[in-house]
Amino acid sequence: AQKVTQAQTEISVVEKEDVTLDCVYETRDTTYYLFWYKQPPSGELVFLIRRNSFDEQNEISGRYSWNFQKSTSSFNFTITASQVVDSAVYFCALTHTGGFKTIFGAGTRLFVKA
Amino acid sequence: NAGVTQTPKFRVLKTGQSMTLLCAQDMNHEYMYWYRQDPGMGLRLIHYSVGEGTTAKGEVPDGYNVSRLKKQNFLLGLESAAPSQTSVYFCASSYSTTAEQPQHFGDGTRLSIL
Repeated sequence: AQKVTQAQTEISVVEKEDVTLDCVYETRDTTYYLFWYKQPPSGELVFLIRRNSFDEQNEISGRYSWNFQKSTSSFNFTITASQVVDSAVYFCALTHTGGFKTIFGAGTRLFVKA
Repeated sequence: NAGVTQTPKFRVLKTGQSMTLLCAQDMNHEYMYWYRQDPGMGLRLIHYSVGEGTTAKGEVPDGYNVSRLKKQNFLLGLESAAPSQTSVYFCASSYSTTAEQPQHFGDGTRLSIL
């Protein structure tokens, strides 16, 4: 069975702090894709990043970075020097190749205080 | 760029009433999805469609029906609304198989069943 666990329900930080959002997944498939989406207060989900199971390179995009470790089945997301605009719910998601169903984690609500 | 448009944005129904949620996308995407978002549970797939005229059940299909008569539209119907269907509903679309492509989401429909 496939499962995505985001153990952190809510995180609160002060602006300019670094914060890491954890994502642990379970799958029996050898080929799969992992995603992170952001849901700001306005409601719509916005795609942030995709990573396939064969690419364990970490990625950095501005203040965002992602750490994919297959050995621990984790795909963690770090925001450096957080800003108030980063306040949102962040979802980690998993899909296996050939599947039409995306499994979402429960989400982590991030509050960034000025 | 409209992307994915959902109507209505809010609705209050009485138990037993019926209604249809409309999703329209202008990106020529083949795949469309309906999710519900409940606190602490992330997004759960209700139904999905891999092309015009085709639909399939997702994780939580009971109490819902869908139709995809036109490629750009995906309708979600509640024949006899129940309080358990109070939720935020999201429509999404993707260019091809979910595994490779990120999904593009609408703004959501907040539905309350009294």
